Amino acid sequence: EAQVTQNPRYLITVTGKKLTVTCSQNMNHEYMSWYRQDPGLGLRQIYYSMNVEVTDKGDVPEGYKVSRKEKRNFPLILESPSPNQTSLYFCATRVGGGPNEQFFGPGTRLTVL
Amino acid sequence: AQKVTQAQTEISVVEKEDVTLDCVYETRDTTYYLFWYKQPPSGELVFLIRRNSFDEQNEISGRYSWNFQKSTSSFNFTITASQVVDSAVYFCVTGTASKLTFGTGTRLQVTL
Repeated sequence: EAQVTQNPRYLITVTGKKLTVTCSQNMNHEYMSWYRQDPGLGLRQIYYSMNVEVTDKGDVPEGYKVSRKEKRNFPLILESPSPNQTSLYFCATRVGGGPNEQFFGPGTRLTVL
Repeated sequence: AQKVTQAQTEISVVEKEDVTLDCVYETRDTTYYLFWYKQPPSGELVFLIRRNSFDEQNEISGRYSWNFQKSTSSFNFTITASQVVDSAVYFCVTGTASKLTFGTGTRLQVTL
């Protein structure tokens, strides 16, 4: 079954405590991306990766890091989380190089106190 | 830069009514793509349709239909004979090779 998985699904943490949200896909897709969803703002792209070892900033990259060492995984790293990073995070993946539909993970709800 | 405007923040209808969700987009690209996604109360994002800028044909899929008009930069979505299960947030989206740009969403509430 084609899947995009995210872990953890829910996380409450404190300001400054480094955390990683993992994203894994089993569809062998080259493209992966992270979005955050905030009330009234829709989804906004944080980072994306067109392939292994190729990453680039999206619209709201400040405070986040990513890496793409292997095709299936695209972790999102918050080195020093702050309360304004409290949000719902989605990982997405897409087949091919063009703007095809993206498949989204189930989401990770992060609360930073 | 691309931009999507969904002016309707929230719509409430009674089951079996038809409802149209409006979407206006802005882009400088001559080739672009448009999507609709659905986010039910359970939170996942569900792909509904993709359209490219060369194809202005309207599309119908069951109770769903989409009206794409380049002249007005609109890509409206109509649900015919709405059902309670249609209750969700609907996002209109533009896409490029690197990213999707989402509108702010329209929350549709269908009641009995």
